[in-house]
Amino acid sequence: KNQVEQSPQSLIILEGKNCTLQCNYTVSPFSNLRWYKQDTGRGPVSLTIMTFSENTKSNGRYTATLDADTKQSSLHITASQLSDSASYICVVYGGSQGNLIFGKGTKLSVKP
Amino acid sequence: EAGVAQSPRYKIIEKRQSVAFWCNPISGHATLYWYQQILGQGPKLLIQFQNNGVVDDSQLPKDRFSAERLKGVDSTLKIQPAKLEDSAMYLCASSHTSGRVETQYFGPGTRLLVL
Repeated sequence: KNQVEQSPQSLIILEGKNCTLQCNYTVSPFSNLRWYKQDTGRGPVSLTIMTFSENTKSNGRYTATLDADTKQSSLHITASQLSDSASYICVVYGGSQGNLIFGKGTKLSVKP
Repeated sequence: EAGVAQSPRYKIIEKRQSVAFWCNPISGHATLYWYQQILGQGPKLLIQFQNNGVVDDSQLPKDRFSAERLKGVDSTLKIQPAKLEDSAMYLCASSHTSGRVETQYFGPGTRLLVL
């Protein structure tokens, strides 16, 4: 079954600290993996998209990694800011019919 | 570039009433999606359109939900009659493909509360 699992479910960190969010998937065949940031009450906004051949991609203070062999991805946030408080959703595009499979998200709270 | 537009942003109705949501995708995007996102969960695909044709509506509760994209541009999603468990955020997204990568853009969503 094609699934995307994210951990932790929620995370609280202090402003200025780094954090890493995890995403494991069982989607096959795999096409690409995306990380989205979703502010409360808003639609998701794309942070990164990585294909099979890419193992790291950065977008400002956000760095995503992909290990297609172990089917794992991580999103690292450096020097967190209060505005980073949001849900971060991992999405894998793939499967036999080419679907977008969403994880449940990690809710990040950055405290002053 | 204008983003995906959705309206209304919020809607409160009583159970058994009807409600309709509207979405205007980014100009030129052939693919349009409707998602349901229950609080604390990831979005769940309800229906995917390619131009005005339905690509995937396997998870759309067709006894009460309907969607159309008559001219292949904007789209409406209707719930009739609504149930308490329909309370959720309804997200519309549109996408374009560059090379082999499809990039999806989400609208701000419509938050529905069914009382």
